[in-house]
Amino acid sequence: AQTVTQSQPEMSVQEAETVTLSCTYDTSESNYYLFWYKQPPSRQMILVIRQEAYKQQNATENRFSVNFQKAAKSFSLKISDSQLGDTAMYFCAFMRGTGANSKLTFGKGITLSVRP
Amino acid sequence: GAVVSQHPSRVICKSGTSVKIECRSLDFQATTMFWYRQFPKKSLMLMATSNEGSKATYEQGVEKDKFLINHASLTLSTLTVTSAHPEDSSFYICSAYSGRAWNEQFFGPGTRLTVL
Repeated sequence: AQTVTQSQPEMSVQEAETVTLSCTYDTSESNYYLFWYKQPPSRQMILVIRQEAYKQQNATENRFSVNFQKAAKSFSLKISDSQLGDTAMYFCAFMRGTGANSKLTFGKGITLSVRP
Repeated sequence: GAVVSQHPSRVICKSGTSVKIECRSLDFQATTMFWYRQFPKKSLMLMATSNEGSKATYEQGVEKDKFLINHASLTLSTLTVTSAHPEDSSFYICSAYSGRAWNEQFFGPGTRLTVL
C-alpha cells in the first residue's frame, strides 16, 4: 500500500517570500504520479502541480515548482513570491495508475498562512 | 472545461433519514468517479470508487449498506447516506476521472452534511 507523509501541520510565510512544503511517500511502484492540491477556505480542491515519476525534470507552474527526488521518495513544493491568496491547506497526493487504479492517496495536509 | 458539480451544497437532516448527494460531470464523460469524506482540518479519506454500470468498490472500513453509491451514467454518480446519524455529519467530496486529461481527477465543490 502507498503512504504519503506530510510531517509539518502548519507553516507561515511573509507575503512575497518563498516557502517550501515537504512531502515524502512510500511505494513499490516504479511508475506513478504525484500531485499537490490546494484547498482554500471554500474547500474546493484545486490542482496546483503534477509530476510523472518517469520524468526527471521537475515540474513548474508559474510561481509553483517541485523538487522531485525519486530515489529519496520526496516531493516538495516551493511557492515563490507568496501571495495572500496562497493561504490554504495543501495536500500532497499519490496516484498509482490510470482508470480504476487512478485513486488518490492523500497526505494529512499542511495549513499555510501567508502574512501581509 | 472539466467542471464537476455537486448537489446539494449543504444539507441538514434528522437522524434516521436518508440523504442523497449527486455528483455530475458537466462537460465530459467520467468513466470513474470517487467519493471522499473530509473532517474539518483533516485530509480526504477515500470512501469508494464508482465505475459506470458496475458496482462500486468500497475502501476497507466503509459500510456498503450505509453509503450506497450508484453510477448510472457517464455523467452522474450518487451517494446515498442511509439512516443517517450525527456521526455521519461531515464534508463529502466527489471527483471525476475522464481518462482524457492526463490522469487528472476533477473535484466537485463538496457537500456539507449535518445530521441532527
